[in-house]
Amino acid sequence: EAQVTQNPRYLITVTGKKLTVTCSQNMNHEYMSWYRQDPGLGLRQIYYSMNVEVTDKGDVPEGYKVSRKEKRNFPLILESPSPNQTSLYFCASSFLTSVTGELFFGEGSRLTVL
Amino acid sequence: GENVEQHPSTLSVQEGDSAVIKCTYSDSASNYFPWYKQELGKGPQLIIDIRSNVGEKKDQRIAVTLNKTAKHFSLHITETQPEDSAVYFCAAPQTGANNLFFGTGTRLTVIP
Repeated sequence: EAQVTQNPRYLITVTGKKLTVTCSQNMNHEYMSWYRQDPGLGLRQIYYSMNVEVTDKGDVPEGYKVSRKEKRNFPLILESPSPNQTSLYFCASSFLTSVTGELFFGEGSRLTVL
Repeated sequence: GENVEQHPSTLSVQEGDSAVIKCTYSDSASNYFPWYKQELGKGPQLIIDIRSNVGEKKDQRIAVTLNKTAKHFSLHITETQPEDSAVYFCAAPQTGANNLFFGTGTRLTVIP
């Protein structure tokens, strides 16, 4: 089954404790992206990647890092999480090397930073 | 960058009635306008999209219209059903970049 898989789905952590949210897709997609969803703000792009070893900042990259060492994986790293990073995170991928094609989203990772 | 505004933020309709959600965008060079549906506890899913070379696109009960002069596009759902209840997002790309900017979402409730 074609899918985007995120882990963990739920996480409660404390300020400053490094964490990684993994994202993997099995569709051989070139484009991958991370979004955060907050009430009243919709979906905001954090980082995206057009191919292996190619990443770029989105709208709200501060406090996050990403890497794209393999085509299928695009982990989101929070080196020193803070309470304002409490949010619902979505990973997405697309066949096209641009955003003008269908994005396939994972089921989301709800992160709480205390 | 692109700025996408979406209205209304909430919408309640009776089953069988129509629902309309509107979005405006700022980048006149934007050429692709998707609509995503997010059901409770799930990620958004594309339901329809339109490119700037057409003014309207239909898919069964769903249609999207685009007015490039006014820089707005709308989602129309006819004969609404309870399973249409969800949050809907419009989006538009930033020209020259690979950012997709989403609206703030509309929570649609279809009352049986």
